[in-house]
Amino acid sequence: AQTVTQSQPEMSVQEAETVTLSCTYDTSESDYYLFWYKQPPSRQMILVIRQEAYKQQNATENRFSVNFQKAAKSFSLKISDSQLGDAAMYFCAYWGATNKLIFGTGTLLAVQP
Amino acid sequence: DVKVTQSSRYLVKRTGEKVFLECVQDMDHENMFWYRQDPGLGLRLIYFSYDVKMKEKGDIPEGYSVSREKKERFSLILESASTNQTSMYLCASFPGTGFYEQYFGPGTRLTVT
Repeated sequence: AQTVTQSQPEMSVQEAETVTLSCTYDTSESDYYLFWYKQPPSRQMILVIRQEAYKQQNATENRFSVNFQKAAKSFSLKISDSQLGDAAMYFCAYWGATNKLIFGTGTLLAVQP
Repeated sequence: DVKVTQSSRYLVKRTGEKVFLECVQDMDHENMFWYRQDPGLGLRLIYFSYDVKMKEKGDIPEGYSVSREKKERFSLILESASTNQTSMYLCASFPGTGFYEQYFGPGTRLTVT
């Protein structure tokens, strides 16, 4: 069975600085998707960024980018120029042949002014 | 605009009560999911549905049931609420087969006393 591990329960970053959230996963599948979801204090979960496993190029969405290392089964999220609105719980998630999202335990990001 | 709504943001019920959590999506999505979110455990899948009147057990279905009589509505039922079902419940939906972005509702914080 696939698993997703987020080893950092909490992180903190200064406004305008860069922070990297870690995620590792375990799978025997070759074709899958990886995601980072953001859950702000209001609780509505939204998709931040997605990565298709067959793509070697790392996905980027404005200030958000990923470092996808398929052989190492690593999928980290980098947030550049952090803003107060980036404060949230971030979940890493895996989608494969089971057609279900498998979530990590989350990383709570605090942004200090 | 994509919308997933849940009937209550906060709910307090007594042990042994029958509890209904309602989820409605206005995007004509075939797929709907119920998750439970607990600190340190991430999101865990309770039940999901790929079509009307169809349901599949997720990873933690014990103590729960679901109903999907109409495409837009997916209900989670706690037949006899227990204190260990105190949690945040999130509903999500996405269209068709293959992967698309999952859209989440705002969540229902259920407290069972």
